[in-house]
Amino acid sequence: GQNIDQPTEMTATEGAIVQINCTYQTSGFNGLFWYQQHAGEAPTFLSYNVLDGLEEKGRFSSFLSRSKGYSYLLLKELQMKDSASYLCAHPNSGGYNKLIFGAGTRLAVHP
Amino acid sequence: DAGITQSPRHKVTETGTPVTLRCHQTENHRYMYWYRQDPGHGLRLIHYSYGVKDTDKGEVSDGYSVSRSKTEDFLLTLESATSSQTSVYFCAIRGQGSADTQYFGPGTRLTVL
Repeated sequence: GQNIDQPTEMTATEGAIVQINCTYQTSGFNGLFWYQQHAGEAPTFLSYNVLDGLEEKGRFSSFLSRSKGYSYLLLKELQMKDSASYLCAHPNSGGYNKLIFGAGTRLAVHP
Repeated sequence: DAGITQSPRHKVTETGTPVTLRCHQTENHRYMYWYRQDPGHGLRLIHYSYGVKDTDKGEVSDGYSVSRSKTEDFLLTLESATSSQTSVYFCAIRGQGSADTQYFGPGTRLTVL
């Protein structure tokens, strides 16, 4: 199967750290994407992992474990503007880079 | 900004009417995609294109058709709109030499009454 699971909602406090998890089930794995989507706007690309391990990009980091079918997005020093939905996605096995998306995690950052 | 525009940005129509949404890109990308986004379902692929006149179905293609007569335009048509097609529609392109990352247009909010 190609199911992608991520929590529906999370809340966190400004300045804190939050980890958003994503689990997937697929054969022929070919990378995992994270996107950010503010309400009423288009998704914007955050990160892409194809190898195991942690990749850091400023306040955002993304981790991948291919053997466990698991990824997470780590957001540090949370800011109010980080309130958004975070979408996990991977290409399906049929080629043409067709992406399968999780339903997204809606993150609310409170003062 | 991947140079993607969508039109119209908002549309309200009635059940049974035909509707065409346009996606326009300015950077000569080969691959283009149409998704719909609904609460609880995330983004789902409707149709995609891998070149001029080369298109194929995605996971939720029933009730939709597409056309790509030139590189820059990818049209999505609802032949006879139904209320279940009320959604937000996003077009995307596949970036060149960028880990196959897809970049999204601003979206079209379609309401079918």
